[in-house]
Amino acid sequence: EDKVVQSPLSLVVHEGDTVTLNCSYEVTNFRSLLWYKQEKKAPTFLFMLTSSGIEKKSGRLSSILDKKELSSILNITATQTGDSAIYLCAVNYGGSQGNLIFGKGTKLSVKP
Amino acid sequence: ETGVTQSPTHLIKTRGQQVTLRCSSQSGHNTVSWYQQALGQGPQFIFQYYREEENGRGNFPPRFSGLQFPNYSSELNVNALELDDSALYLCASHPTGGEQYFGPGTRLTVT
Repeated sequence: EDKVVQSPLSLVVHEGDTVTLNCSYEVTNFRSLLWYKQEKKAPTFLFMLTSSGIEKKSGRLSSILDKKELSSILNITATQTGDSAIYLCAVNYGGSQGNLIFGKGTKLSVKP
Repeated sequence: ETGVTQSPTHLIKTRGQQVTLRCSSQSGHNTVSWYQQALGQGPQFIFQYYREEENGRGNFPPRFSGLQFPNYSSELNVNALELDDSALYLCASHPTGGEQYFGPGTRLTVT
């Protein structure tokens, strides 16, 4: 059965800390892995990763894919209270064009 | 803001009723996918529409059905509502195989 597993499920840190969120997957016909941030309702797109070992970076956020280990990490440096959200990992797999399987998410709380 | 809109924002229905949710896709995107997100869970894929045809379906019963229109907007219909259908319903528009951009969702409560 195709699945995506995220860890930890929740995390509490203080402003300025660096966090690493993990995502592992078992899917057939892997195409890409995506990270989203969900604050209230709509997940907002962060990164799409298709190639192993190439880091994608946006400000304080970065992510990398390891196809050998079937996993990805999302790093956030110098965390701010505005980073508090649920971070969702999703894998685009074969079968139909662009279907995504999501993990349960990691709930990040950043304390002042 | 992604340019994907959904309506209504939230609604309350009674078990056994029917509901229609709407989604307008981002300009240039020909594919719409629908997801159900229960509390504390990640979104689950319901189905996808590409050029007005269903192009894939997750593990949802036939009482979940949809449509896509020539302008690529879409509807999700749910018949014979059950209590477990209470969830946030998200639609995402995207070019085929590209990253998906989500709308704000419709919060459905079934009592």
